[in-house]
Amino acid sequence: KQEVTQIPAALSVPEGENLVLNCSFTDSAIYNLQWFRQDPGKGLTSLLLIQSSQREQTSGRLNASLDKSSGRSTLYIAASQPGDSATYLCAVRVDNYGQNFVFGPGTRLSVLP
Amino acid sequence: GAGVSQSPSNKVTEKGKDVELRCDPISGHTALYWYRQSLGQGLEFLIYFQGNSAPDKSGLPSDRFSAERTGGSVSTLTIQRTQQEDSAVYLCASSRLPLSGGINEQFFGPGTRLTVL
Repeated sequence: KQEVTQIPAALSVPEGENLVLNCSFTDSAIYNLQWFRQDPGKGLTSLLLIQSSQREQTSGRLNASLDKSSGRSTLYIAASQPGDSATYLCAVRVDNYGQNFVFGPGTRLSVLP
Repeated sequence: GAGVSQSPSNKVTEKGKDVELRCDPISGHTALYWYRQSLGQGLEFLIYFQGNSAPDKSGLPSDRFSAERTGGSVSTLTIQRTQQEDSAVYLCASSRLPLSGGINEQFFGPGTRLTVL
């Protein structure tokens, strides 16, 4: 059974720092991995989606990498800003037919001004 | 509408009561998903609709949970005889087409926070 973990559970950094969030999954047979952001009281917003054949994706100050064989993904945030404060979730899609996504528990990020 | 909407935003109920949670997807989105997010846990997939049919009900935790979708639009998640462990945030998402190859993005609603006393 696929399990997704995220480390750390919470992170607090001063504004301007570069930071890395980690996501691990137990079964490397995935179709894709997606990083989401969730603000308090809001739904999830998709940040980056990496197909299983890809190694990384970039969007602005965000860079996500995928190492399928080792079951790991990282989300790199450059020059963090207070507006980046949110919970970051990763999710892996485990099949191409159903809608079977497995989510991690999230990392709660606080960027202090 | 501009996005996925859910109602109510908060629901407090007593153990044993039935509750209905509503989701209005983005107009034109044929696929609709329900998830549950418990405190400190990741999102848990509950059910997926393609149009009005639900090809995948595997995530429903018990027979107290049911969902329907009418007119290919609004969906209702019903929990009967609620238990304290049902307390969670229930999130709905929609996408234009089923997530074939993961290309079609899911758009999430703000969720309904359910508290069972």
